Amino acid sequence: DTAVSQTPKYLVTQMGNDKSIKCEQNLGHDTMYWYKQDSKKFLKIMFSYNNKELIINETVPNRFSPKSPDKAHLNLHINSLELGDSAVYFCASSQAQGVGGYTFGSGTRLTVV
Amino acid sequence: QKEVEQDPGPLSVPEGAIVSLNCTYSNSAFQYFMWYRQYSRKGPELLMYTYSSGNKEDGRFTAQVDKSSKYISLFIRDSQPSDSATYLCAMSDNTDKLIFGTGTRLQVFP
Repeated sequence: DTAVSQTPKYLVTQMGNDKSIKCEQNLGHDTMYWYKQDSKKFLKIMFSYNNKELIINETVPNRFSPKSPDKAHLNLHINSLELGDSAVYFCASSQAQGVGGYTFGSGTRLTVV
Repeated sequence: QKEVEQDPGPLSVPEGAIVSLNCTYSNSAFQYFMWYRQYSRKGPELLMYTYSSGNKEDGRFTAQVDKSSKYISLFIRDSQPSDSATYLCAMSDNTDKLIFGTGTRLQVFP
């Protein structure tokens, strides 16, 4: 039973399109995150939500809009996709303040052409 | 200067070797320290989690934190080809924000 699952695994789309990535966790964690991993494998936080409330928003273009319908789900919607948005996007979850460590999903590889 | 520095490698060792992976950091407020392993095209997997300074051992893995030097290490004993992956250090202060190193690519050859 997957702890943090995200869909889709792969996403290929044209510039200018709008796309969404979905994430669900069944660990009972309070906090969920979106991280972006670039071509050099560097992982950088984008957003965090605690119990549906936005906690961290790291200078991400406002074309990226996270939505948390409940504490087990955190989706990422991206408008007007650009070539530079191509990356792997990881969803993660943890107890509050990251105590005990973070559990990551398997990633969504987004390619913008 | 990045908040967390990590040698990207690659590090290539023979099977059975002891591997030492390291990170340095600049933010003295960091108090939670983690090591993640990431296989190609997979998500990061938590290997070790430590709070503040000291050592922690789990099987073949030992994590060390030296807050006075702002330096953390991961040792892998009796390394196996299945340990070949990218190892990421990560750390946080008292917030939800986890800062990662750039990762060290490790290759263990038979």
